[in-house]
Amino acid sequence: DADVTQTPRNRITKTGKRIMLECSQTKGHDRMYWYRQDPGLGLRLIYYSFDVKDINKGEISDGYSVSRQAQAKFSLSLESAIPNQTALYFCATSDLRAGGNLIEQFFGPGTRLTVL
Amino acid sequence: LAKTTQPISMDSYEGQEVNITCSHNNIATNDYITWYQQFPSQGPRFIIQGYKTKVTNEVASLFIPADRKSSTLSLPRVSLSDTAVYYCLVGAAIFNKFYFGSGTKLNVKP
Repeated sequence: DADVTQTPRNRITKTGKRIMLECSQTKGHDRMYWYRQDPGLGLRLIYYSFDVKDINKGEISDGYSVSRQAQAKFSLSLESAIPNQTALYFCATSDLRAGGNLIEQFFGPGTRLTVL
Repeated sequence: LAKTTQPISMDSYEGQEVNITCSHNNIATNDYITWYQQFPSQGPRFIIQGYKTKVTNEVASLFIPADRKSSTLSLPRVSLSDTAVYYCLVGAAIFNKFYFGSGTKLNVKP
């Protein structure tokens, strides 16, 4: 079984709809992240969480919100989806206790979201 | 966050050594240099990380000069399966957030 899972894997929705993307991990990591990737571009950080009580905005948080329901779960919401939020969304985790300065992130398989 | 500059794309042939250079002029004292690999429709995967001089693992080598303003990822004897996008990141574990940039698309030809 995959360590970092994302649901749904694909979603088509309409402008103005609320949508939630979910991420679960079995790695026991403290830190979780949401990124978006647009065609031909790198990943941009939307939100990140260092533990259940800690939520931080990334580069492009406008139009998005997140919830860290438990150490293992981190969900991303689009309150009112718009077409320019069409992208590939990735969840990632990393381990605060990895030691030293290792900053390895583990990524989920991604969710392809299309907003019509 | 220190930003990075990489070539947009590179071509190579199977069996060759590939070197991808990344510039990071504003690297801070606490920052480490990390490289990721991403295949189409997959999440990035960690390759290697270093602070200075040279680091080698079973996949790649990372060369970092004394001023740390650039770094070079070296892939020995590439194969077709090494065709991917390679990202250079600079950051510190204590902050644990990174700037991915657009990466370098490596195309390995037979």
